[in-house]
Amino acid sequence: GAVVSQHPSRVICKSGTSVKIECRSLDFQATTMFWYRQFPKQSLMLMATSNEGSKATYEQGVEKDKFLINHASLTLSTLTVTSAHPEDSSFYICSALRERYEQYFGPGTRLTVT
Amino acid sequence: AQSVTQPDIHITVSEGASLELRCNYSYGATPYLFWYVQSPGQGLQLLLKYFSGDTLVQGIKGFEAEFKRSQSSFNLRKPSVHWSDAAEYFCAAYNFGNEKLTFGTGTRLTIIP
Repeated sequence: GAVVSQHPSRVICKSGTSVKIECRSLDFQATTMFWYRQFPKQSLMLMATSNEGSKATYEQGVEKDKFLINHASLTLSTLTVTSAHPEDSSFYICSALRERYEQYFGPGTRLTVT
Repeated sequence: AQSVTQPDIHITVSEGASLELRCNYSYGATPYLFWYVQSPGQGLQLLLKYFSGDTLVQGIKGFEAEFKRSQSSFNLRKPSVHWSDAAEYFCAAYNFGNEKLTFGTGTRLTIIP
């Protein structure tokens, strides 16, 4: 149990375009989901906390207008990278909170902006 | 500030040898502690967790970890590693103040024949 999926797994887009990444909890409902960013050979950096039915909470330094998060249902959160630039290229990982303190992670999305 | 430290960036062990990955935390109280494994290009999989009680916890894939309050440590161990254990390992602590996970910087494990 506790499966979290992400789609797409890889995406390449041109600079200036927008990309949407989906995160789904497949076998449980998640009021809270998290979005992380991971640079090569580095740890995960929390970008934002996504709560179903309310606005996301962004970490300091994360541009909320660039990284749009929507958590429209108890099983789906989306991250949209708007007007993407090469420096946005990264590995994006979501997680879903099934029980308090326990996050289950998706397989990640590799974004490359050319 | 609360933090999680993994002193070893990269560890290489021979297949069949024992393994210990170090993790130290700096928190005001005993945090909830986790070990995750990340295979290349993949998300994180939970290996084990410690909340309270028995300080030696068993996880999946033959891993165990021991919580030592006196040393502020939560080291991960495996008696005999397999080639498939090659991955990145992250120690994490749950921060009760902001209800978020704080990750260590990770330890990359390489297995040699």
